[in-house]
Amino acid sequence: EVQLVQSGAEVKKPGESLRISCKGSGYSFTSYWISWVRQMPGKGLEWMGRIDPSDSYTNYSPSFQGHVTISADKSISTAYLQWSSLKASDTAMYYCARQTVVTGFDYWGQGTLVTVSS
Amino acid sequence: EIVLTQSPGTLSLSPGERATLSCRASQSVSSSYLAWYQQKPGQAPRLLIYGASSRATGIPDRFSGSGSGTDFTLTISRLEPEDFAVYYCQQYGSSPNTFGQGTRLEIK
Repeated sequence: EVQLVQSGAEVKKPGESLRISCKGSGYSFTSYWISWVRQMPGKGLEWMGRIDPSDSYTNYSPSFQGHVTISADKSISTAYLQWSSLKASDTAMYYCARQTVVTGFDYWGQGTLVTVSS
Repeated sequence: EIVLTQSPGTLSLSPGERATLSCRASQSVSSSYLAWYQQKPGQAPRLLIYGASSRATGIPDRFSGSGSGTDFTLTISRLEPEDFAVYYCQQYGSSPNTFGQGTRLEIK
């Protein structure tokens, strides 16, 4: 069974750093891209960027380029999304999703809620 | 960047009725790389349709997708109580991948 399991909810202060994770299982982790999607409270879905775990090639949305870093450790089938300096506006639910060229985002993680507040 | 505009914003229907949701792209979506997702409160999105018209694994056949180029449609033939949710279209053929703003399907 394909599963993407994300790390737990986080509460941080502005200016702090953070890394959240997404662990894949039940499939060949290096055969599929992993994308990250933001959903701000009460809002829609926004694609942030993706990584090819086989070679760590990344592709970011211009809206998120330079604000976050996507990485992966294929040895433990885990992708990461990280911030070096959080802002209150980063408060959102973050989803990882398995992506293929043909089918789009076919499996999703359960989401990680990030709350940034002083 | 391809902008996707969904209509209507909210659709109020009763169980058993037919739902038609629209997604219009600001430019042609390459190779019909257009998907539809369903999201219920407190849950992650779920893939319904990919490639504009192919149903994802386990999706009931009351869900169907159609369209090409810049105009796409998701049709739910006979609404079941569990179908009331928010629906998003997405293009994944060019970068950045983009989502529509969503259509809320509510019980009338």
